[in-house]
Amino acid sequence: KNEVEQSPQNLTAQEGEFITINCSYSVGISALHWLQQHPGGGIVSLFMLSSGKKKHGRLIATINIQEKHSSLHITASHPRDSAVYICAVFLGGNLIFGKGTKLSVKP
Amino acid sequence: EAGVAQSPRYKIIEKRQSVAFWCNPISGHATLYWYQQILGQGPKLLIQFQNNGVVDDSQLPKDRFSAERLKGVDSTLKIQPAKLEDSAVYLCASSLDTYIEQYFGPGTRLTVT
Repeated sequence: KNEVEQSPQNLTAQEGEFITINCSYSVGISALHWLQQHPGGGIVSLFMLSSGKKKHGRLIATINIQEKHSSLHITASHPRDSAVYICAVFLGGNLIFGKGTKLSVKP
Repeated sequence: EAGVAQSPRYKIIEKRQSVAFWCNPISGHATLYWYQQILGQGPKLLIQFQNNGVVDDSQLPKDRFSAERLKGVDSTLKIQPAKLEDSAVYLCASSLDTYIEQYFGPGTRLTVT
């Protein structure tokens, strides 16, 4: 069993839709990363959070430490948001990654 | 601020050949990571350096993979000899210290034929 589980694995949305990607983890962690990976491989860090909620533009990330769950929301989605979104948790100084959620936003 | 640089971006080699990847972290970042990402999976840590010392190389296949970080700045990752299953994206990341946000390079996509 993976220590970090993401859902859904694949997500197709229409432009303008509100999107939610979920991440559940099974171990106690110090912090959680949400990352974005575009075709070609490069990874961009979106958020690092250890409690509560963070917002950057149209992106919102929340975490519930007690429930071991985090969500990434995208408001007013756009085709340029199409990418793989990866949840990763800090455990013992290392990042443990989920398999990612592939998001496609259609115009 | 310049990001993490990696080269080459793409490499195609035959099995049993050797290959080397280079990473230049963000200036001042003490911690450097090499990850292997196989298609459809999340990245897997291969090795972590703190300055020029190895912190964690428990998942590095040491019979064929080696890495060094001379002078605590640039790093190279080498595979010798390569196997088909080494086909993956190799990501380098750096951070000011451990437990702190990591910044990723663009990756090197390796294809072993």
